[in-house]
Amino acid sequence: GQQLNQSPQSMFIQEGEDVSMNCTSSSIFNTWLWYKQEPGEGPVLLIALYKAGELTSNGRLTAQFGITRKDSFLNISASIPSDVGIYFCAGLNYGGSQGNLIFGKGTKLSVKP
Amino acid sequence: NAGVTQTPKFQVLKTGQSMTLQCAQDMNHNSMYWYRQDPGMGLRLIYYSASEGTTDKGEVPNGYNVSRLNKREFSLRLESAAPSQTSVYFCASRALAGLGEQYFGPGTRLTVT
Repeated sequence: GQQLNQSPQSMFIQEGEDVSMNCTSSSIFNTWLWYKQEPGEGPVLLIALYKAGELTSNGRLTAQFGITRKDSFLNISASIPSDVGIYFCAGLNYGGSQGNLIFGKGTKLSVKP
Repeated sequence: NAGVTQTPKFQVLKTGQSMTLQCAQDMNHNSMYWYRQDPGMGLRLIYYSASEGTTDKGEVPNGYNVSRLNKREFSLRLESAAPSQTSVYFCASRALAGLGEQYFGPGTRLTVT
């Protein structure tokens, strides 16, 4: 089946640093979603991308839909302690599996004050 | 507007017991989903309902049943719980199957002893 490769698996950074993570796939997607999950909570949608090449920001977060439609990245600028959590990418292919999302395995972010 | 709600938040079962996890959404979404999340495995789709009156198996349906009670509610039933079903269960909804953003509930943490 379709798989998403999300990297890195984990990051341990200093407060104030910028963060970059990405997802790649062998399949084409029509939508990319980025989620954040904090301990004990459900995933919360951060950014949705719908067009190849699209660059979207949400505060200090910026995400891009790759031109090839097989990848996406998420950047966090000037990280703060509350950025801690697991970040998931998810891709959607309208034509496959009734349009169900395919999830990456997550990037665990730790921020040292 | 509560979004996606789930009950209970925590549950401990003995092997062989049955229980139903409840999910409701107030966003007038057509599609609803049940996932389980296990360490290192990411989010795996158990069952989904693309629209009211339909349900379909996802990636890991064995040992579970679902009911789409109405447009708002989608329940997950474990008929005879097994330790392998110890997990965190998330319900999610989307406006339309195959399109758009998906929103998650806060999760149910289930332990089967």
